[in-house]
Amino acid sequence: SYELTQPLSVSVALGQTARITCGGNNIGSKNVHWYQQKPGQAPVLVIYTDSNRPSGIPERFSGSNSGNTATLTISRAQAGDEADYYCQVWDSSTGAVFGTGTKVTVL
Amino acid sequence: QVQLVQSGAEVKKPGASVKVSCKASGYNFTRNGISWVRQAPGQGLQWMGWNSAYNGNTNYAQQVQGRVTMTTDTSTSTAYMELRSLRSDDTAVYYCARDLRLSNWKGVQNWFDPWGQGTLVTVSS
Repeated sequence: SYELTQPLSVSVALGQTARITCGGNNIGSKNVHWYQQKPGQAPVLVIYTDSNRPSGIPERFSGSNSGNTATLTISRAQAGDEADYYCQVWDSSTGAVFGTGTKVTVL
Repeated sequence: QVQLVQSGAEVKKPGASVKVSCKASGYNFTRNGISWVRQAPGQGLQWMGWNSAYNGNTNYAQQVQGRVTMTTDTSTSTAYMELRSLRSDDTAVYYCARDLRLSNWKGVQNWFDPWGQGTLVTVSS
């Protein structure tokens, strides 16, 4: 089955840039989607099909995908960006696959 | 706005069944499928399966195949997920989510937006 690997945690200083990686075998051949989940809340889509932002998501959130790594970038990080972030792909054999999740802390 | 509202928390004994509902509003219900995703306490997200609101087709994850049934009622724009033979490791928050899909040069792509608020299912003797 297809697996997605994320770092357990990422720390970023207020106002700086956080980069969250999502590793998978030839993930560049798939579209990657990203979700933000704050404590006690449902996940919220922040990036779809590698680099597209849904309406209402700040431009500070961006995505890229190539080779074996997809990346979610949060520019000018704010305290409100503290959350767990999950990547997700669709695998033709197993369906939706989620990454292991990354906890982002804004210092 | 597009919204999914789920039924309330449930407490079940091992071996019992649970049925969670998910009422959609703000869009044409039959144009998208509904996926179900669960999250055990302190754990990550696990996709359980997908149900077409257009024709009722389903696609279940191997981990729950045989114990889960997903259905939709187009007259009330409501999706349902029933899980049988509950075990303690089925204790989780269960989410429904609108399934968005497109086909591009990378193949068929599915993602989820928005999500319901979640339903906590506790399995305990």
